[in-house]
Amino acid sequence: ETGVTQSPTHLIKTRGQQVTLRCSSQSGHNTVSWYQQALGQGPQFIFQYYREEENGRGNFPPRFSGLQFPNYSSELNVNALELDDSALYLCASSSGTGANTEAFFGQGTRLTVV
Amino acid sequence: GDSVTQMEGPVTLSEEAFLTINCTYTATGYPSLFWYVQYPGEGLQLLLKATKADDKGSNKGFEATYRKETTSFHLEKGSVQVSDSAVYFCALPRGYQKVTFGTGTKLQVIP
Repeated sequence: ETGVTQSPTHLIKTRGQQVTLRCSSQSGHNTVSWYQQALGQGPQFIFQYYREEENGRGNFPPRFSGLQFPNYSSELNVNALELDDSALYLCASSSGTGANTEAFFGQGTRLTVV
Repeated sequence: GDSVTQMEGPVTLSEEAFLTINCTYTATGYPSLFWYVQYPGEGLQLLLKATKADDKGSNKGFEATYRKETTSFHLEKGSVQVSDSAVYFCALPRGYQKVTFGTGTKLQVIP
């Protein structure tokens, strides 16, 4: 058991709506990263938060935004949903930002945009 | 930029067969290399890693050797079990926890 929990597990939204996904990091971890995994593809890095600050971002538009809270839990917000946003969204937490620091993944939130 | 290419699946094997999943990478410098596994309905788990050339990562009977000369990190297991059925991702981590993943290879092991 990894200790990273995500909610909700499944979600259906309509194109143009906004969505918030939540992640509780593993105890003692101060870094949270978010990934988008389209069906049949590998996860794509969205962004990372370290001690409540954005600390790196992948090739995703500004309508993908996030927050990290003082307890190091995190939210991913997506505005103006598009059909292509349908994917599994994964959260990973770690105890630092080093390249060799192991990240522990949650089970993901399956978002379907109709 | 960084990229990871792994063999397409699905791969179907009988129990106790030998497994190889090919992975090659393109990157500057000498990054670490990881293999992650995703069991049905679960998140990703780090399976093994190698941090420098000629390192061999191993875990749960799986092995992979970091080959700088061929830019490869192939995953192998001598005798697969039904419980090994999962999707396997080759991955290249960089700073700030940005990990570049391959597209994944689905393994199905039949009794």
